[in-house]
Amino acid sequence: DAKTTQPPSMDCAEGRAANLPCNHSTISGNEYVYWYRQIHSQGPQYIIHGLKNNETNEMASLIITEDRKSSTLILPHATLRDTAVYYCIVRVETSGSRLTFGEGTQLTVNP
Amino acid sequence: SAVISQKPSRDICQRGTSLTIQCQVDSQVTMMFWYRQQPGQSLTLIATANQGSEATYESGFVIDKFPISRPNLTFSTLTVSNMSPEDSSIYLCSVEKTGVPFGYTFGSGTRLTVV
Repeated sequence: DAKTTQPPSMDCAEGRAANLPCNHSTISGNEYVYWYRQIHSQGPQYIIHGLKNNETNEMASLIITEDRKSSTLILPHATLRDTAVYYCIVRVETSGSRLTFGEGTQLTVNP
Repeated sequence: SAVISQKPSRDICQRGTSLTIQCQVDSQVTMMFWYRQQPGQSLTLIATANQGSEATYESGFVIDKFPISRPNLTFSTLTVSNMSPEDSSIYLCSVEKTGVPFGYTFGSGTRLTVV
């Protein structure tokens, strides 16, 4: 699986958009970009994933650059409950394909 | 998505003893995974547990230290054997969601402290 690079920490004001970047310059053509988050003392939670088109769901939006070498997770209106470690992971979408976690970004949403 | 029940949620154990962690899923799943999260660190995959076959261990993890059982499609156990303080971690069970997209659901973890 391709390696990802994320900033170790970010801050965001409550109610503002949180934009979390991820670099995955060695991503292969069949690898998807996944985002998970881990709130303190809980297991990781799936947020969103995509291949090359931008994606949006009830939790977030995912913007993938045209060359697919980087992406941005957008939380449009961050709340205090969005404070968590956010992991960007690339993997092939086949059964049994493992999830390899990097260090992630600690997002702190401030009141 | 699958609902995972992991037991115990936390434990404090004496060094040299063993602890068995249980992972129960509310639906049949093909793939189950065990992760370790050491204090302040990210998650590391220990092994993949498939029903009817031996678990597949990642580099740095061995069956003698972390024996795994997978008796059916809804249950698995991970044993942490002959524990030392370095085994103090959160141990998480994860299952693969069937269908599209393939993704993982995680249990809430077992917080283990070895004294």
